[in-house]
Amino acid sequence: GESVGLHLPTLSVQEGDNSIINCAYSNSASDYFIWYKQESGKGPQFIIDIRSNMDKRQGQRVTVLLNKTVKHLSLQIAATQPGDSAVYFCAEVDSGNTPLVFGKGTRLSVIA
Amino acid sequence: EAQVTQNPRYLITVTGKKLTVTCSQNMNHEYMSWYRQDPGLGLRQIYYSMNVEVTDKGDVPEGYKVSRKEKRNFPLILESPSPNQTSLYFCASSLGPGRPQHFGDGTRLSIL
Repeated sequence: GESVGLHLPTLSVQEGDNSIINCAYSNSASDYFIWYKQESGKGPQFIIDIRSNMDKRQGQRVTVLLNKTVKHLSLQIAATQPGDSAVYFCAEVDSGNTPLVFGKGTRLSVIA
Repeated sequence: EAQVTQNPRYLITVTGKKLTVTCSQNMNHEYMSWYRQDPGLGLRQIYYSMNVEVTDKGDVPEGYKVSRKEKRNFPLILESPSPNQTSLYFCASSLGPGRPQHFGDGTRLSIL
């Protein structure tokens, strides 16, 4: 498969446990955030997004938390499954007309 | 099915031999973008296009060209490839630059 990040932080979790992946951002003007999942050999896929007027948003098995005070974003995956193994990265943007800025990612490995 | 299609998926070539990577999207998106992904560096934007006949440089445009003659297509051209352009390339499209990007599955280029 593709090696998208040999130097990425890695998180290993047991199947069925919850996973928490963190992302720190630097631009205090960022007002929109997205989490992407990238599986081996594939392009990044949208998971969930959140705007700065919210501090929590839930999807199916995933929750994103936003702490604007410390410029921190997290992705929580409930009951982690082997299919969740991938590289996860966040993206931020400070207005609708500027490009997304992507983080470098975290590799999640699920231990069966 | 909504998708971004890149071709080829893999290419090994030699220094100086012009190559084109095609990208096509079927979502009628106005915004399209090219990224390269390298270990430890994450996704870096090469070029983007806000609409037909409108293109602009991203963070790492040197050695690349693009064109946007039609809304659906956004080819990436390497006029004289060099080994430092060996990378994994992704095309993406969206409704706008600050909106979630839909990515293709990537093109692995090796320049010898």
